[in-house]
Order: sequence, then C-alpha cells, then structure tokens
Amino acid sequence: QVQLQESGPGLVKPSQTLSLTCTVSGGSISSGSYYWSWIRQPAGKGLEWIGRIYTSGSTNYNPSLKSRVTISVDTSKNQFSLKLSSVTAADTAVYYCARGWQQLAHDAFDIWGQGTMVTVSS
Amino acid sequence: SSELTQDPAVSVALGQTVRITCQGDSLRSYYASWYQQKPGQAPVLVIYGKNNRPSGIPDRFSGSSSGNTASLTITGAQAEDEADYYCNSRDSSGNRGVFGGGTKLTVL
Repeated sequence: QVQLQESGPGLVKPSQTLSLTCTVSGGSISSGSYYWSWIRQPAGKGLEWIGRIYTSGSTNYNPSLKSRVTISVDTSKNQFSLKLSSVTAADTAVYYCARGWQQLAHDAFDIWGQGTMVTVSS
Repeated sequence: SSELTQDPAVSVALGQTVRITCQGDSLRSYYASWYQQKPGQAPVLVIYGKNNRPSGIPDRFSGSSSGNTASLTITGAQAEDEADYYCNSRDSSGNRGVFGGGTKLTVL
C-alpha cells in the first residue's frame, strides 16, 4: 500500500529556508486523482493546512503563509517538496505530508506520513 | 484564526454517545472530513463526505451535517477513542483547505 515518508533537516536557523521532502512509496505519485499536501502542527497545538500540489503542478497555499511557501513535485523521483523561507521560531512544528483527494463537495486526507519535527533555532 | 470552530474539550462516559461539532460558513457548501489523533501519532481519517468510513474504522463512528455545522458522533464510546479530533474542509474561497482547532475527547 502507499506510504509517505518525510525527510529533511530537523534544525533550521532563523531567517533561513526550511526544506522538506516527502517520498511516496508503494504506488506512483502520478496515478489516480490525488493531490499532495503539507500540514504542520506546533507542539500542543492544532493542525494547520500549509498547501497542496496536483501532479499537473497546480498549487494552492494557505494565505497566511503564501508569500513564504513553495510546494513542488518531482514525478520522476515520486517525491514532493516543501520550502518555507524566512523562518522564525513560530515555524517550529511537526510537519506532515499527506495524500489528499477531492470530489465535488468534499476533500479527505487518507494517507499521512509519520511527521518530522523541525525546530527553528540559532 | 480558524474558519472552522470546534469545542476545545468534550467528555463522555464509557459506552455512552458523544457528538463533536465543527462550525463554519463553508460547511454550508462542503462536507467536513474528520481525523482522530492520538499522542505522538499522525492523524487518521475516520469520516469523510456525507457519512463515509474508511476501511478499518469502527461503525460506532458516524458523521452528519446541517447548515453550517458538521458533527462526528461516536455511539458507545470506548476507552481507545480518547484522542484529539479535527475537522477539515475547504475555506470560504473553496480553493484551499482549513482545519478546525481540534477537540480533546476524554472517555470517563
């Protein structure tokens, strides 16, 4: 079955760019009508939708992060990535990648990665 | 601030029924999906669409929607249902996603 695995530095300095990759295994990132998302969760807080990418390359971002976020996809590597620039301590969180799908009136995230902790600190 | 509002905490006696709600204007147009998250674990989808359960989710979990409110109902709550529950839907633009703030469910 399809599995997702996040990877990337666990520590990022303030003002630098956070970069994470999600590797999709057990299936092709291009198959089916799915999109691929990033979601984060600061310690002790709720989930925050960061953005998503379709394999066509089309993206949608959280308006509160839009100026700093870039999500890209590499179908040849079966991976998608997150870049978040100019990070501050407020960006410290567990970052999840997830597979999403949508029909006319609903969306759902049916597969999630295990999450990776990213700390922003000097 | 979230466009979807949930009660921060709810409790239920073992074996009783509990409803967890999620309010937001976008819910008048779109269904919510619901996620269960236990400490140290990734969220798990429990309900999506009108009232659909993924394979492996017990049938004591059900979903409903009315007006601007979506609800997750657990009929006969079990100790293992103690967790945080999040709703998710589209935002007012319909082009982006948004999560509710989450509800901590305690099973007494």
